[in-house]
Amino acid sequence: KAGVTQTPRYLIKTRGQQVTLSCSPISGHRSVSWYQQTPGQGLQFLFEYFSETQRNKGNFPGRFSGRQFSNSRSEMNVSTLELGDSALYLCASIGGGGSGANVLTFGAGSRLTVL
Amino acid sequence: DQQVKQNSPSLSVQEGRISILNCDYTNSMFDYFLWYKKYPAEGPTFLISISSIKDKNEDGRFTVFLNKSAKHLSLHIVPSQPGDSAVYFCAASGETSGSRLTFGEGTQLTVNP
Repeated sequence: KAGVTQTPRYLIKTRGQQVTLSCSPISGHRSVSWYQQTPGQGLQFLFEYFSETQRNKGNFPGRFSGRQFSNSRSEMNVSTLELGDSALYLCASIGGGGSGANVLTFGAGSRLTVL
Repeated sequence: DQQVKQNSPSLSVQEGRISILNCDYTNSMFDYFLWYKKYPAEGPTFLISISSIKDKNEDGRFTVFLNKSAKHLSLHIVPSQPGDSAVYFCAASGETSGSRLTFGEGTQLTVNP
């Protein structure tokens, strides 16, 4: 069973540009969550989508947005990039181990560098 | 407001010895706790979890202890192996947070041969 797939793995942008990241969850998983990881900050929750609807949203500015398609694939977009947006962006779908309902299976991430 | 804190950014232990990673939380609504392990250039992988109705959960070399009154949990790895060297994240969720996890900052564990 394929895992969570994120593309692109690495990308470099300049301030003011926008970026779109893609995530394909594990087949059959309908929920996708996005997290931002920066050094010393752990993982910060961005948003969660379930059946094409945003179900939960973290404390990020409106420049961060996302969507989910009918095949459960998800994209997140960051507009007007700032230097502080440089981070590893992780996508996760629910499932993959343990007995708890909140076990997330993560992709390898998309490493964004903003110059 | 950091609701989940891992106060030790790094920990170094000798192979074969015990590794103890600590995590504190402030939100009393958290009722489910998880540990994830992350290698460089990979996403975090689930390690072990514990529900608030338990105080201990064991899986092979990994044991998680939960002290609800102290709002503290710990991950014990015995015996530690060089392949355990990674960043370990503590995470928590509550009934009202759905699948949203609140993560700590992570602890870099280095196991020396």
